[in-house]
Amino acid sequence: SAVISQKPSRDICQRGTSLTIQCQVDSQVTMMFWYRQQPGQSLTLIATANQGSEATYESGFVIDKFPISRPNLTFSTLTVSNMSPEDSSIYLCSVDGEKVYEQFFGPGTRLTVL
Amino acid sequence: QKEVEQDPGPLSVPEGAIVSLNCTYSNSAFQYFMWYRQYSRKGPELLMYTYSSGNKEDGRFTAQVDKSSKYISLFIRDSQPSDSATYLCAMLRSGNTGKLIFGQGTTLQVKP
Repeated sequence: SAVISQKPSRDICQRGTSLTIQCQVDSQVTMMFWYRQQPGQSLTLIATANQGSEATYESGFVIDKFPISRPNLTFSTLTVSNMSPEDSSIYLCSVDGEKVYEQFFGPGTRLTVL
Repeated sequence: QKEVEQDPGPLSVPEGAIVSLNCTYSNSAFQYFMWYRQYSRKGPELLMYTYSSGNKEDGRFTAQVDKSSKYISLFIRDSQPSDSATYLCAMLRSGNTGKLIFGQGTTLQVKP
């Protein structure tokens, strides 16, 4: 299994600002994923990040709002841009395992936007 | 209508009880059915998976899939306080690598 760390673990931000969340994996992985977990809502996939290509965004999520970088096989960043209180959520990164149904998750970044 | 529906609870049971957690879904293309467990302030971790219909047992945990009813269940026998967590069902279509569809999660508390 992969060990995943995220920075920051939590942050409180002002409306209109941007926050970049880092995700570091202890081994090289092909696919990295970014999820949003809003209070009382299901875990929702934002985008899939493969090294060397543009991230693939899910319906309802756009690159201008959630730009993603994937510079190598162990690291990715997600930026939440021009934040509003509706962006308050937990953001999690995950990586694919050996099995198609398996993903390993980081501990999450708890974001509060005032 | 959400693709996957899960009662968020919370569910509170005494230690030793049998717990039943359930999800329903609408997309008949789902082939993989998973249960993830998430402790407070941690990321989800894979607990069990089932491919297509049937039952799967792992210690105190049993996962069931009924594709005809589009209904999946997780049973926990002899529940322990350490089982207190949020349980999320997740589903995946064949060929849709990585695109897990999660339920809301059910928060379980097992009281000593």
